[in-house]
Amino acid sequence: EAGVAQSPRYKIIEKRQSVAFWCNPISGHATLYWYQQILGQGPKLLIQFQNNGVVDDSQLPKDRFSAERLKGVDSTLKIQPAKLEDSAVYLCASRFSGRASSYEQYFGPGTRLTVT
Amino acid sequence: SQQGEEDPQALSIQEGENATMNCSYKTSINNLQWYRQNSGRGLVHLILIRSNEREKHSGRLRVTLDTSKKSSSLLITASQAADTASYFCATVSGYSTLTFGKGTMLLVSP
Repeated sequence: EAGVAQSPRYKIIEKRQSVAFWCNPISGHATLYWYQQILGQGPKLLIQFQNNGVVDDSQLPKDRFSAERLKGVDSTLKIQPAKLEDSAVYLCASRFSGRASSYEQYFGPGTRLTVT
Repeated sequence: SQQGEEDPQALSIQEGENATMNCSYKTSINNLQWYRQNSGRGLVHLILIRSNEREKHSGRLRVTLDTSKKSSSLLITASQAADTASYFCATVSGYSTLTFGKGTMLLVSP
C-alpha cells in the first residue's frame, strides 16, 4: 500500500512570497489533515477535511493560509504572503473513516519550509 | 495549543535498557495515542489506548493510562539503537482531531 505522498520535500522562499504544498493521501482515506510542526514542538493541526468538506479549520491563520481538497482526494495548502514564523515542517496525514475505521493517522514525509 | 506534555524532554540510555516516557494532559479524552518520529521514517503511529483501558501492550511497548490523573506512560523494553527518535503522545477528544505534546527525545547508545 502506498503511503501519503507530499511535495515538494523542501522549499526556501523569502518573506512575503507565496508557496504551495501538495498532498496525496492513501487511497480510500476520506479524512485528510494538514499539520504545522515548528522545530522542537509537536505537530499542530491546521485543517481537517472529510472528503472535500472542511471539518475543523479553527487553528488555520485564514488571513494568509488557505487549503482545498477538490474532488475529495488530493489537497493543497497555500501560504500567501509568508512570514518568517511560518518556517516549519508541514505534514499531511490521512485516515480511513469507513465502517472499520480507527483513530490511527498515517503521515507523509512532510515539506520543510524555510522563510528568509 | 498543546494538550499533552511529555516528560522527560530528553532521555539517554544504553542498548538493552528500558525507557519510560510520561505524558500528562488537561481535558477529558476519547483515546490517547503514541507516535514516533525520526528522520528516516517520519511520524509513525505506535499504539492507541482508549479511555476505558488501563494498560495495553504491543511487542516491546507497554502503555498505561490513568484518566483520574490525566496521565499516560510509554515503556519501551530492551531498547535498541533503532529506537532513537522523538516520541509524542497525542490525545483525541472530539471527532478525530489529534492534539500533540512537545515530545521526548530518546537516544539509545550502542
